[in-house]
Amino acid sequence: NAGVTQTPKFQVLKTGQSMTLQCAQDMNHEYMSWYRQDPGMGLRLIHYSVGAGITDQGEVPNGYNVSRSTTEDFPLRLLSAAPSQTSVYFCASYQDENSPLHFGNGTRLTVT
Amino acid sequence: GNSVTQMEGPVTLSEEAFLTINCTYTATGYPSLFWYVQYPGEGLQLLLKATKADDKGSNKGFEATYRKETTSFHLEKGSVQVSDSAVYFCALRRAGSYQLTFGKGTKLSVIP
Repeated sequence: NAGVTQTPKFQVLKTGQSMTLQCAQDMNHEYMSWYRQDPGMGLRLIHYSVGAGITDQGEVPNGYNVSRSTTEDFPLRLLSAAPSQTSVYFCASYQDENSPLHFGNGTRLTVT
Repeated sequence: GNSVTQMEGPVTLSEEAFLTINCTYTATGYPSLFWYVQYPGEGLQLLLKATKADDKGSNKGFEATYRKETTSFHLEKGSVQVSDSAVYFCALRRAGSYQLTFGKGTKLSVIP
């Protein structure tokens, strides 16, 4: 009964480094999304996917890439980290508009 | 576009006090409305929802009524407990869309 699993929980990067935040769900949900949470800003949508092979941009996509090769996995890639990307990142999924959004426990990223 | 405005916090209450967290929204058509709660160190989880005007969502003693005429979805609880200390997010989903728009969150602290 894992739900949505995010790894790592914490990460520190230097400016210019790249990394991938992992997200996996075992509920066979079609829809998955990435949010970032910043103080005083709430949650802002970065990218989302409505099924394997389909991705689209959200509100704040710049500096991030995604892919969806399987239903289960939706990794978020930072190609060249910047201090402005210091944030807490949440992955979420749900099956349809009548079901709740399931969140992972987040990845806290610091870029120095 | 769609937007959600909720009262700024933090809100500090004594145990057994009455809670109201205001939420108003801007959206075309008839969106679904949600309250999510985030406990320290965790992801968000659905607290309650309402899908049409005059619906009342309720869960764990919390209630919110979908008011179309005032475009509001205020969260209330008659008697808060220390365990209710968390950040509360109001959100909406436009009909036919998978995406949620979140408010900025209201931090609630309940003291014994």
